[in-house]
Amino acid sequence: DTAVSQTPKYLVTQMGNDKSIKCEQNLGHDTMYWYKQDSKKFLKIMFSYNNKELIINETVPNRFSPKSPDKAHLNLHINSLELGDSAVYFCASSQEMGRGEEKLFFGSGTQLSVL
Amino acid sequence: RKEVEQDPGPFNVPEGATVAFNCTYSNSASQSFFWYRQDCRKEPKLLMSVYSSGNEDGRFTAQLNRASQYISLLIRDSKLSDSATYLCVVNVYNFNKFYFGSGTKLNVKP
Repeated sequence: DTAVSQTPKYLVTQMGNDKSIKCEQNLGHDTMYWYKQDSKKFLKIMFSYNNKELIINETVPNRFSPKSPDKAHLNLHINSLELGDSAVYFCASSQEMGRGEEKLFFGSGTQLSVL
Repeated sequence: RKEVEQDPGPFNVPEGATVAFNCTYSNSASQSFFWYRQDCRKEPKLLMSVYSSGNEDGRFTAQLNRASQYISLLIRDSKLSDSATYLCVVNVYNFNKFYFGSGTKLNVKP
């Protein structure tokens, strides 16, 4: 009954490979996100989708391609992995809670290590 | 300039102490405000929302000062289990953007 689930939890791969991370939420939320947390623990938004439409793309290299087949899923595909892509990637979802307030709910993260 | 700035700490306090964290935000269009807690190697989890009138949840009190664009979190009677990183978060509603501070690390010692 996990609200936001992402797989895999750990991903170790070689430079130059292509990999995907999957995310699903069962909260019925309209908006989903990908965040990257680097070694300095700073969480930075990468993408946001609302009802399968891309609404935020924060200057992420085009090697990163999000795909949202429906509003409950947001997957992240990464081509030609580089050492600097090593980080923890968090999927999240949110819903407007009234009074103009939205709250974020996170998946448990995917630790990506590029060797 | 970062959207949200926090003192990274660490704050090392004994059990039972009162500790306060502050953060500042740069975008005056920010509409909602939160404190999240992140344990080591875990995902951030919502601790509490922050309202202009100030709000309290048990030992935790959050305050918002819109004029000065800062948010605070006060933890009373610290427990060992409060040890974590506390993230200040602001949401620019119209753009669906949540901006995170870099987090303040709290270590509560016996």
